[in-house]
Amino acid sequence: NAGVTQTPKFRILKIGQSMTLQCTQDMNHNYMYWYRQDPGMGLKLIYYSVGAGITDKGEVPNGYNVSRSTTEDFPLRLELAAPSQTSVYFCASSSGTSGYGQFFGPGTRLTVL
Amino acid sequence: AQKVTQAQTEISVVEKEDVTLDCVYETRDTTYYLFWYKQPPSGELVFLIRRNSFDEQNEISGRYSWNFQKSTSSFNFTITASQVVDSAVYFCALSEAGWGSQGNLIFGKGTKLSVKP
Repeated sequence: NAGVTQTPKFRILKIGQSMTLQCTQDMNHNYMYWYRQDPGMGLKLIYYSVGAGITDKGEVPNGYNVSRSTTEDFPLRLELAAPSQTSVYFCASSSGTSGYGQFFGPGTRLTVL
Repeated sequence: AQKVTQAQTEISVVEKEDVTLDCVYETRDTTYYLFWYKQPPSGELVFLIRRNSFDEQNEISGRYSWNFQKSTSSFNFTITASQVVDSAVYFCALSEAGWGSQGNLIFGKGTKLSVKP
């Protein structure tokens, strides 16, 4: 039982490049989330999904896209990378809303130069 | 609007001292959950505790204790006899459970705790 896994762990992008951050969970959780953590700040919600085929925007969705074709996977796509997207990205999953608590992946550190 | 405030940006203590990390939250929901997470220098997020809004009992787990007071909208975290391994950033988070909530966590900015030997 690996929990929530994220790849890659580190990545450097040039401005304008695109990439996909992968997130997979093996706990059969319906709820999945993407957060970003900027230096000295707490995590902010980018996108979330309540089940396969259903996604919605969080607090800071601009510049990102997501898809959820399976219960296990919730990839985050950056189309035109900008320096403002330099951050640490965390994926999380939960079996339900609110009180169930969230399991976090190890994070992806992304630098855009 | 929902909000979590951790007014202490950084705290530095000497080993064996007790330290309290403050957390104040705002929400209009009557049902909600509060969490504390630890982020050590390695970067992962470690779940410490979850508390629902109807349970104001204080909790103790080893050297850790939590004081939840709805009257002041606070959920403070105390480490007794701190150790160097407690050095980390600690986040307080809120999850609302009202109608339409998505279950996402609203985080404070975190408090960086440094415990010196």
